[in-house]
Amino acid sequence: AQSVTQLGSHVSVSEGALVLLRCNYSSSVPPYLFWYVQYPNQGLQLLLKYTTGATLVKGINGFEAEFKKSETSFHLTKPSAHMSDAAEYFCAVSERTGNQFYFGTGTSLTVIP
Amino acid sequence: NAGVTQTPKFQVLKTGQSMTLQCAQDMNHEYMSWYRQDPGMGLRLIHYSVGAGITDQGEVPNGYNVSRSTTEDFPLRLLSAAPSQTSVYFCASSYSRASSGNTIYFGEGSWLTVV
Repeated sequence: AQSVTQLGSHVSVSEGALVLLRCNYSSSVPPYLFWYVQYPNQGLQLLLKYTTGATLVKGINGFEAEFKKSETSFHLTKPSAHMSDAAEYFCAVSERTGNQFYFGTGTSLTVIP
Repeated sequence: NAGVTQTPKFQVLKTGQSMTLQCAQDMNHEYMSWYRQDPGMGLRLIHYSVGAGITDQGEVPNGYNVSRSTTEDFPLRLLSAAPSQTSVYFCASSYSRASSGNTIYFGEGSWLTVV
């Protein structure tokens, strides 16, 4: 089964600083890759996804992620953190064969004013 | 647009009671699923369905039952609630199965406490 690893369950950044949230997957065949955001007491919303083509993917709210096959990674970045970015972020994958989505354990982002 | 609708949002159960969490989607999605979210464990798949009449188990199916009689609805049944089932439950749907690369859309969640 696929596994998704998010390094750092809690990340704190200052307002205006770079946000970097890490995600690695285990499959030898590149899967489809997703980042979701969860605000308190809400469901998950899609930030961005990679399926094919350009490896740098831009999403909503200024976030982007780069698929690196050689590193089996799909790290999420944002150049300048806003207070409104404070939330839980989940990396997810789905395999090119199969019926399941696999989620990481999440990274809680705190933005310090 | 309604999207994925879950009810109830909050529920308190006594140990041994049964209940059903309702999930409906209005996007004509083939794929529907239930996850539970627990602190430090992310989202774990309970059951999923790739179409009406077809269901399968996920990572943590014990103590839960599902059925898919229509495309729109995918209820999750707790057969005999246990404190270990205290969790936040999310229903999610996608246009087709996970191998297609389609986005999965989530409901707002159902907070369940078993005492």
